[in-house]
Amino acid sequence: NAGVTQTPKFQVLKTGQSMTLQCAQDMNHNSMYWYRQDPGMGLRLIYYSASEGTTDKGEVPNGYNVSRLNKREFSLRLESAAPSQTSVYFCASSEAGPGDLYYGYTFGSGTRLTVV
Amino acid sequence: KNEVEQSPQNLTAQEGEFITINCSYSVGISALHWLQQHPGGGIVSLFMLSSGKKKHGRLIATINIQEKHSSLHITASHPRDSAVYICAVEGGETSGSRLTFGEGTQLTVNP
Repeated sequence: NAGVTQTPKFQVLKTGQSMTLQCAQDMNHNSMYWYRQDPGMGLRLIYYSASEGTTDKGEVPNGYNVSRLNKREFSLRLESAAPSQTSVYFCASSEAGPGDLYYGYTFGSGTRLTVV
Repeated sequence: KNEVEQSPQNLTAQEGEFITINCSYSVGISALHWLQQHPGGGIVSLFMLSSGKKKHGRLIATINIQEKHSSLHITASHPRDSAVYICAVEGGETSGSRLTFGEGTQLTVNP
């Protein structure tokens, strides 16, 4: 099925461990995003990639790095996990349309990460 | 103050009721999105609006650009509509395609 695929769905890390969240989309979208969702707060942008080869910081980038490996894949890396990074992470993609609007926002199913 | 405010935060309705969820924003935007998040956690895009009104099945979304306000209506609500409904704006203080989200409205529809 077309869409955004995220792996893993669940992960438990110890403080200081590292891991990479993988995201791939098969809709040929140019733009990809990583968001985190915490209780009582709206989704917040960590990093985004407007197109292959470019990445930019979002609202909460500290403690994360990203790689836009190709047009399909956008990974999020936690180099040294901290309990404050316990959250649900969503990858998303979209495509630019006419009139400077972006279409086809599609979200992955999320990764529930716990850092102990 | 959040750029995107939703009300109510929580809403409980009886099956068949007409439901309205409101979203106000404080910045200029290029588009507004309504999203649905089910208990399993997946997020689905319902509507993208830049003006006027859109309808899909029992869902209707409206936007008033001058008043910086949007509403999501659900007619003849059903327990399967129970979910978190999220308003998000595109443009505004951020540029390009990045979305700024409201905190969501938890809707529970009882049979």
